[in-house]
Amino acid sequence: EADIYQTPRYLVIGTGKKITLECSQTMGHDKMYWYQQDPGMELHLIHYSYGVNSTEKGDLSSESTVSRIRTEHFPLTLESARPSHTSQYLCASSGPGTGELFFGEGSRLTVL
Amino acid sequence: QKEVEQDPGPLSVPEGAIVSLNCTYSNSAFQYFMWYRQYSRKGPELLMYTYSSGNKEDGRFTAQVDKSSKYISLFIRDSQPSDSATYLCGSGFGNAGNMLTFGGGTRLMVKP
Repeated sequence: EADIYQTPRYLVIGTGKKITLECSQTMGHDKMYWYQQDPGMELHLIHYSYGVNSTEKGDLSSESTVSRIRTEHFPLTLESARPSHTSQYLCASSGPGTGELFFGEGSRLTVL
Repeated sequence: QKEVEQDPGPLSVPEGAIVSLNCTYSNSAFQYFMWYRQYSRKGPELLMYTYSSGNKEDGRFTAQVDKSSKYISLFIRDSQPSDSATYLCGSGFGNAGNMLTFGGGTRLMVKP
């Protein structure tokens, strides 16, 4: 079983609020990722990190930002949430070599 | 054209049926091929992993990759209601930081 945790699982907030989605893994993986997934839709990579102090934008443009100060922690922040940010956000990590991604349970965000 | 394509379904089958799920991909440089299972409101979990062409079997599940036709398949034998989920195929390069490109997922429903 994967040891990657996301909080909160569910969040309902008003427009303009700042939110941070937390993601932590205890596997010592260098690589971590954030995907966005709308209901019934495909996964889109929005951010990734290859290690501490390394962050890159993914294929899907996102107004969110990420940081990687510690290996195990990869939080995602929205400075001013809008209804268009309503989605499920999935965090993942991977170790060296195999390419296997371990996913968290997801954070389902609703912006009113 | 999307790099990895899947029929979204839903695919509805009776319990005990053999299920065939398929993906096509366009990038001939892809080397890793994976199938993830995602239950509703959960994160994806790795089901099968193959490298290059060939077959891989694990219990009731068989993954098949045909690189000449860029075709990926997942077969489920003796399908069970607990197999009802969305199945995502993913493909990636060997040295691109474990970056996976996912298909949109196929929703499977196995009816008792």
